[in-house]
Amino acid sequence: KNQVEQSPQSLIILEGKNCTLQCNYTVSPFSNLRWYKQDTGRGPVSLTIMTFSENTKSNGRYTATLDADTKQSSLHITASQLSDSASYICVVVPNAGNMLTFGGGTRLMVKP
Amino acid sequence: NAGVMQNPRHLVRRRGQEARLRCSPMKGHSHVYWYRQLPEEGLKFMVYLQKENIIDESGMPKERFSAEFPKEGPSILRIQQVVRGDSAAYFCASSLMTGSFQETQYFGPGTRLLVL
Repeated sequence: KNQVEQSPQSLIILEGKNCTLQCNYTVSPFSNLRWYKQDTGRGPVSLTIMTFSENTKSNGRYTATLDADTKQSSLHITASQLSDSASYICVVVPNAGNMLTFGGGTRLMVKP
Repeated sequence: NAGVMQNPRHLVRRRGQEARLRCSPMKGHSHVYWYRQLPEEGLKFMVYLQKENIIDESGMPKERFSAEFPKEGPSILRIQQVVRGDSAAYFCASSLMTGSFQETQYFGPGTRLLVL
């Protein structure tokens, strides 16, 4: 079983709408949780980094939340744009080392 | 400041051939990480290197795969005697320093390897 599970696997929304992506993890203890955006054919780009003591972190229209008690994180996208169409990947960094544990990603498609 | 560069972007090999993937980290970065992304799957850590040192290769297959990051030049991921199951996107990332768990890894565009 993957230590980082994301849902939904894919999502289609209309331009301008909001959406929320979920991430459940079992990696423990961990130092930080990251959300990446990966456009098709490109490498992942960091959106947010949260330590275990942070509850929320924003980056423009992206807001990530973290509940370390329930081991859940979410990424909320506000007023979606066509350019938001991408895979969104939840990544957990364990306390020891630099090995990142990746979720399978959520494929988001924003339609006009 | 150029980002992480990888080449080639696409590589086609026949079974049994060798594949060499190159990664030039961002300027000033001395830590390099290689990841593999199989079709329809998430990225998986392979190896973490500093200049002239392999720090963590726990994600690397024991046979046929090797990585290096020489004092001069790019990091190389080498796959010998490729098989169809090696077909994947291979991503390289770099970071400025380790020891800081806040450190961001910057990813390259990836090399897509196709084994015929």
